[in-house]
Amino acid sequence: AQTVTQSQPEMSVQEAETVTLSCTYDTSENNYYLFWYKQPPSRQMILVIRQEAYKQQNATENRFSVNFQKAAKSFSLKISDSQLGDTAMYFCAFRSDNAGKSTFGDGTTLTVKP
Amino acid sequence: EAGVAQSPRYKIIEKRQSVAFWCNPISGHATLYWYQQILGQGPKLLIQFQNNGVVDDSQLPKDRFSAERLKGVDSTLKIQPAKLEDSAVYLCASSPQGAAWQETQYFGPGTRLLVL
Repeated sequence: AQTVTQSQPEMSVQEAETVTLSCTYDTSENNYYLFWYKQPPSRQMILVIRQEAYKQQNATENRFSVNFQKAAKSFSLKISDSQLGDTAMYFCAFRSDNAGKSTFGDGTTLTVKP
Repeated sequence: EAGVAQSPRYKIIEKRQSVAFWCNPISGHATLYWYQQILGQGPKLLIQFQNNGVVDDSQLPKDRFSAERLKGVDSTLKIQPAKLEDSAVYLCASSPQGAAWQETQYFGPGTRLLVL
């Protein structure tokens, strides 16, 4: 079974600064997909960014980018120019290729301070 | 495009009572998921439907939980009887096609259940 570990329960960052959230996972599969989801205090979860394991290039979406290290099974999220609206809980998720079942980490609560 | 709808938003019940949650996915989405999110934890998949068939229910406590998706659209999740440890947020999500990996999951606002 796959496991996803987020070792930072809480983090904070000053507005306009950069912050990196960590995620490690364990799997025996070679083809899989990784996601970062954001869950603001209103609790509607939305996708931030996704990465296909077969792609070496790290995904980027505006201020959000990932550092995907397949051999180390590491998938960190970097948020640049942090904004107050980035305050939320962030979940790292693993999705296997064939089953399509997603496994989520326990989340990191990020607070952006003015 | 309307998002995933869930009701009720909040529910308080006594232990051993029954409760049901309803989910209406985004129109045309074939795959529907029910997750349980206990406070301080990530969502845990309870059941995944592809149209009206079950793809995965390996983590569904079948002695007390049941779910159905009639006609491959709306879905209901039922707990009977409820236990204290069932207190959680129940999230429904949908995705547009089958179990293909690249499908983004669109989440509803969740139903917060408190069992006393």
